[in-house]
Amino acid sequence: EDKVVQSPLSLVVHEGDTVTLNCSYEVTNFRSLLWYKQEKKAPTFLFMLTSSGIEKKSGRLSSILDKKELFSILNITATQTGDSAIYLCAVSRNSGAGSYQLTFGKGTKLSVIP
Amino acid sequence: DTAVSQTPKYLVTQMGNDKSIKCEQNLGHDTMYWYKQDSKKFLKIMFSYNNKELIINETVPNRFSPKSPDKAHLNLHINSLELGDSAVYFCASSSQGSSEAFFGQGTRLTVV
Repeated sequence: EDKVVQSPLSLVVHEGDTVTLNCSYEVTNFRSLLWYKQEKKAPTFLFMLTSSGIEKKSGRLSSILDKKELFSILNITATQTGDSAIYLCAVSRNSGAGSYQLTFGKGTKLSVIP
Repeated sequence: DTAVSQTPKYLVTQMGNDKSIKCEQNLGHDTMYWYKQDSKKFLKIMFSYNNKELIINETVPNRFSPKSPDKAHLNLHINSLELGDSAVYFCASSSQGSSEAFFGQGTRLTVV
């Protein structure tokens, strides 16, 4: 069975701190690893990683994948209160007929306090 | 325009009832999904569906059935609702060959 483990499960930091969120996985027919941010409603897409060692960056957020060690990290620098959310890691695998199922971790709840 | 939209946003119903949640996407995607998020915020795939194939997570009770009138819609019908069905249900879609799923805003189902 596919497995995605995120750590820590929750994290409280002060504004301006840098945080690193971890995601390890075991999946058959791995296709890609995705990071989502979930505030009150729908998960919103952050990054999709398919190749090892290539950092993806968007503003203060960055992520990298290690396909040999089967993990990814999500970094957030100079955190702001608006970064408070649950960060979800998911791995996708080919489930046939052109569809890709995502297996999610339990998420890391990040709280940024002023 | 909302890319993936679900209705209703909230649904409160009694045990034993039958209910449906509707989902529509205007992204032209080929594949649609239903996910369930429990009280501990754990998101789990229930179904994936495109024109050709329905793939069911084997842990989903057969009281749950997806129905797709066309490529842009995938509705979720639930028979004989139970207390344990209370959760947030998310619809999502993706394009052919892509892992990136776009999620709807969720439907919070409460069974009383």
